[in-house]
Amino acid sequence: GDSVTQMEGPVTLSEEAFLTINCTYTATGYPSLFWYVQYPGEGLQLLLKATKADDKGSNKGFEATYRKETTSFHLEKGSVQVSDSAVYFCALGEGGANSKLTFGKGITLSVRP
Amino acid sequence: DTEVTQTPKHLVMGMTNKKSLKCEQHMGHRAMYWYKQKAKKPPELMFVYSYEKLSINESVPSRFSPECPNSSLLNLHLHALQPEDSALYLCASSQRDRVDTQYFGPGTRLTVL
Repeated sequence: GDSVTQMEGPVTLSEEAFLTINCTYTATGYPSLFWYVQYPGEGLQLLLKATKADDKGSNKGFEATYRKETTSFHLEKGSVQVSDSAVYFCALGEGGANSKLTFGKGITLSVRP
Repeated sequence: DTEVTQTPKHLVMGMTNKKSLKCEQHMGHRAMYWYKQKAKKPPELMFVYSYEKLSINESVPSRFSPECPNSSLLNLHLHALQPEDSALYLCASSQRDRVDTQYFGPGTRLTVL
């Protein structure tokens, strides 16, 4: 079945540091890939998505490229801010009658001033 | 507008109570979802409604009863819950029941005493 593997956390960075959060996936078909962010006490917000190989999703300075050859969708940001502190979930979705999102375990990012 | 609203924000109930969670979206989406999220874990899918019909029930105990009165509303009726049911309950919607982006509400924090 489908699965998503995220790097182990938590991650703590200083403000303005470079961020990479790894995400790899296993899927039988051609999934869409998503990054969701959850700020403390809130629901999930879509951060970015990519629907096919080599697509790059971007939003709020975050980027991720759909790499079919390495089955990866790593999240990057050039300069993190304290306000980026949150939990980040990588997810994949495949179509079909019983389509649903498969989430990774999530990783907590803390950014210190 | 990509807003999904949920009420109440917080709910405390005893094991013999009956309560309901409500979710609303006005994006014209035809698929709506209930998720359960425990602390520091990814959301777990409970139910999917597609065009107001229940299409997925992830073997959820009968003490949780979903209802979709119309295309904009989704309810989750709760009865005889257990303390282990305490969690954040998230509602989401997407344009269709395919691999479209799911938009999440802020959640209802449920505590069962």
